[in-house]
Amino acid sequence: QVQVVQSGAEVKKPGSSVNVSCKAFGGIFSSYAISWVRQAPGQGLEWMGTIIPLYGTPKIAQRMQDRIRIIADESTRTAYMELSSLRTDDTAVFYCAVGFGSLSTFDYWGQGIPVTVSS
Amino acid sequence: DIEMTQSPVSLSASVGDRVTITCRASQDINYYLAWYQQRPGKVPKLLIKEASTLQSGVPSRFSGSGSGTHFTLTITSLQPEDVATYYCQRYKSAPFTFGPGTKVDIK
Repeated sequence: QVQVVQSGAEVKKPGSSVNVSCKAFGGIFSSYAISWVRQAPGQGLEWMGTIIPLYGTPKIAQRMQDRIRIIADESTRTAYMELSSLRTDDTAVFYCAVGFGSLSTFDYWGQGIPVTVSS
Repeated sequence: DIEMTQSPVSLSASVGDRVTITCRASQDINYYLAWYQQRPGKVPKLLIKEASTLQSGVPSRFSGSGSGTHFTLTITSLQPEDVATYYCQRYKSAPFTFGPGTKVDIK
């Protein structure tokens, strides 16, 4: 069993950046597939990116490649996602989800981080 | 990129009814298809992987089938706690695209 705990809510100005974290407990961290998924108000789920600490280089959704950074720190069992050049339409709940290995579903989900972008 | 579509967008059924949701992929994804349930205001939950493998603890009234480009999620006897939006997702390789979701309500 894996427990996923995310950082708290954020309020940001347009043009700024947000950095959110996700800590996973249980299992072998380096073999996790840690994904970020966002959900705008009243909308569906949008995959943003996935990192497997064992491999290092994340896979990133093409439409976000120029303003997203995803890293994983094995020493603290924590993954981070930074989204820059924020716009008001980036307002969403950001979820971290954990699976295992390269052919991974999103088995365990964090509680979600509400991020509000407003001037 | 492979696109995922779902139908219907929403449905309303009575308790005890059989409900079927369809998911289609724009290209062959073999059986690398997952279904998630998101109850109102809650975190998504993995129900099914590999198109038909039920996750531990998921009631047996849920089942999945299909391969290639056409998949279905069936609830054999709809219960009040099944009110949720259901999403399909391809997962063999990035991008791990979700379908747009199907909202299920009780009539």
